[in-house]
Order: sequence, then C-alpha cells, then structure tokens
Amino acid sequence: EVQLVESGGGLVQPGGSLRLSCAASGFSFSNYWMNWVRQAPGKGLEWVASIKPEGSDRFYVASVRGRFIVSRDNSKNSLILQMNSLRGEDTAIYYCARDQGKRFVPGWFDAWGQGTLVTVSS
Amino acid sequence: DIQMTQSPSSLSASVGDRVTITCRASLNIRTYLNWYQQKPGKAPKLLIYASSTLQSGVPSRFSGSGSGTDFTLTISSLQPEDFATYYCQESFSTPLYTFGQGTKLEIK
Repeated sequence: EVQLVESGGGLVQPGGSLRLSCAASGFSFSNYWMNWVRQAPGKGLEWVASIKPEGSDRFYVASVRGRFIVSRDNSKNSLILQMNSLRGEDTAIYYCARDQGKRFVPGWFDAWGQGTLVTVSS
Repeated sequence: DIQMTQSPSSLSASVGDRVTITCRASLNIRTYLNWYQQKPGKAPKLLIYASSTLQSGVPSRFSGSGSGTDFTLTISSLQPEDFATYYCQESFSTPLYTFGQGTKLEIK
C-alpha cells in the first residue's frame, strides 16, 4: 500500500525556520517526482514545490522561492521541505504528494499524505 | 503564469441530481487537466487525470471532458458521499502546477 506520512509541523514565530519531512513507503520512491502542496485555513490548494527523482532539479512557486528548499533522501525514502524566513501567510497544512509526471510529461498527484499543520505566529 | 478559474464557487444540489463543474484555463492547456475531491479534514483525492481518464477505484458516475481552455467535471447522479470540495489542476506547466480556487458542493 502506498503511504505518505508528513511530520515536523508546529508553531513558529515570523522569521523563523521549520523542517518538514514526508516518509514514503509502498512504492519505489526514487522513481517519482514528488511535490509539496499547501492549504491555508479555509482556503484552496496551492502547489509549493516539486523535485526530480534524482533530486537535481527543483521548482518552486514564486512566493516561496529563495526561502524554501525542497530536497530528498532516496536511501531513506524521505522528502524534505526546509522553510526559512517564515511569514504569517505561510500558515497552512502542508501535504506531500506523489507525481505521475516526468520532466516534460504532464502529471497528476495520485497519492497524498495526511498533511502537517504549520502555524506562523508571534 | 496560467490562471485556473472554476465556476461556480459553490453549488447546492440534491442526492440523485446531475451536477457539472466548470474549469477554465487562461491559455490553451490541451488536455492537461486533473480533478480532485477533498472532504473536510482530509487530503485531496485524485478523481480524473488528463481531462477524461478516471482514476482507478473512482465510481463511474464521475466523468471529465474538455480540451484547450474549457473543461467540465460531471457527476451523473449525486450520492451522499459526493458532497465535498472539488479542485481542478493544470499540468501543462509540469513540473509547476496551478490549482483552481475550488467548488464547494453542498446538500440542498
């Protein structure tokens, strides 16, 4: 069974940092693009970042570029989101999601974790 | 950047109704359009990908169509478990993505 389990969320002050993890199981993690998607309280879904299977290519939504870093450890089947210089508008549930796409082949997110809540507040 | 606009933003319907949700892209995205269902407190669930392909395990009352800039998600006969929020997502910009703002389907 495909499983994605996020962890690392919590309360952090504006300007602070937080590291989210997503543990993957039940599939060949190293073969898939992976993504982070967030959802602010009462709002819609926003794609945040994606990373190539080998980890060499990474892409970000404009609002987090330069502050967030997505990485992966294929030996541990783990996806990471390092979030720095956090702002109130980063408050959201953060989901990791498996992508069926390739670099130039459009994909879709067929597996999602349960999400982890990040709250940025003083 | 591609903009995705869903309509309506909310919709009231009854069990057994046929319901259609529309998603419009700001430019031609061919058939690179996916649909998700999200229930309160839960993660999104993939329903349809590439405009019209039903994800494995999804009931056949769900269908998708469209190409270019205009797409629809249709539920042929609403069931109680279908009341949720629905999102479209363009994948033309892979590996970047944009979601629509969502359509909340409520019980009338």
